[in-house]
Amino acid sequence: DGGITQSPKYLFRKEGQNVTLSCEQNLNHDAMYWYRQDPGQGLRLIYYSQIVNDFQKGDIAEGYSVSREKKESFPLTVTSAQKNPTAFYLCASSIIASHETQYFGPGTRLLVL
Amino acid sequence: EDQVTQSPEALRLQEGESSSLNCSYTVSGLRGLFWYRQDPGKGPEFLFTLYSAGEEKEKERLKATLTKKESFLHITAPKPEDSATYLCAVWHGGFKTIFGAGTRLFVKA
Repeated sequence: DGGITQSPKYLFRKEGQNVTLSCEQNLNHDAMYWYRQDPGQGLRLIYYSQIVNDFQKGDIAEGYSVSREKKESFPLTVTSAQKNPTAFYLCASSIIASHETQYFGPGTRLLVL
Repeated sequence: EDQVTQSPEALRLQEGESSSLNCSYTVSGLRGLFWYRQDPGKGPEFLFTLYSAGEEKEKERLKATLTKKESFLHITAPKPEDSATYLCAVWHGGFKTIFGAGTRLFVKA
């Protein structure tokens, strides 16, 4: 079955620690996205990538970094510079950047110890 | 400023009690409007894409409609399993899709 997988489901971060969230898709989609979801707010775009080895900042990129070395993979690193990282993180993909419907993974909940 | 507003924030229905969820937007040059369903602790599940005013799409008990300023998600004779948060999102041709905060639907048996 084609789809998007995210791991881990839950992630705990200690003070000053960088953590990496995994996102893999086998839909052969060109574009991939990372969103942050907080209670009572709409999804906010962190980073997006239209093609391999290229990515762009979204609205709330500070304290986050990404890479896109393979079409199937778009990992997100939450750095120690992100002071309020507790949230639900969602990865999505689409055939072409925003030209088609975005499909979402199951999400990773990040909690701070 | 581009904005998507969903109302109500929460809606409680009895099983079989039909109703509608609203998504209003202030985006110039709408190219697409999306509806998603999201269960607690899970990623959004795609429901519909609407591209132009007057368009309608249906899936089981759900029907989505689009005007020039808003979209409605009509739920006919809902069942408890329809309980979820319903998200609306709009795209106006750039790289960004703007999401509303969602409507939490509770259907009681």
